[in-house]
Amino acid sequence: GDSVTQMEGPVTLSEEAFLTINCTYTATGYPSLFWYVQYPGEGLQLLLKATKADDKGSNKGFEATYRKETTSFHLEKGSVQVSDSAVYFCALSEDGNKLVFGAGTILRVKS
Amino acid sequence: DTEVTQTPKHLVMGMTNKKSLKCEQHMGHRAMYWYKQKAKKPPELMFVYSYEKLSINESVPSRFSPECPNSSLLNLHLHALQPEDSALYLCASSPVNHPGSNYGYTFGSGTRLTVV
Repeated sequence: GDSVTQMEGPVTLSEEAFLTINCTYTATGYPSLFWYVQYPGEGLQLLLKATKADDKGSNKGFEATYRKETTSFHLEKGSVQVSDSAVYFCALSEDGNKLVFGAGTILRVKS
Repeated sequence: DTEVTQTPKHLVMGMTNKKSLKCEQHMGHRAMYWYKQKAKKPPELMFVYSYEKLSINESVPSRFSPECPNSSLLNLHLHALQPEDSALYLCASSPVNHPGSNYGYTFGSGTRLTVV
């Protein structure tokens, strides 16, 4: 079945550091890929998405590129802020209904 | 209005109680979802409604009973729950997606349920 593997956290960075959170997936077809962010005590917010190979999703300084050849969708940001501290989930959907999530990566940014 | 609103935000219930969770959206989305999230875990899909009809039940125990009375509302009726059912229950909505044309999903803030 479909699955998503994310790098384990927590990831701890200093403010203005470069961020990469790795995400790889397994799917039988051509899934849509997503990054969601969850702040403490809140629901999930869609950060960015990509629906086909080589698409780049971007939002709020975050970006990720759908790489079909490496089945990856790594999240990057050039300069993180304390306010970016949260849990980041990589997810896929093949049928348009079910979202399959990775385990989540905790990001902590220190000032 | 680009929000999914869930009520209540917190709920404590006994194992013999009957309660309901409510979810509302006014984005015109015709697909709505219930997810369950345990602490420090990713969300897991429970139910999917498409055009107000139940399209997916992920083998959820019958003590959870979903209902979609209209295109804006989604309820989750709870009865005879167990302490292990304590979790964050998230509602989401989306346009009806199809493979290759996925518009993404909008999540509510969730109801934090504690079963005592």
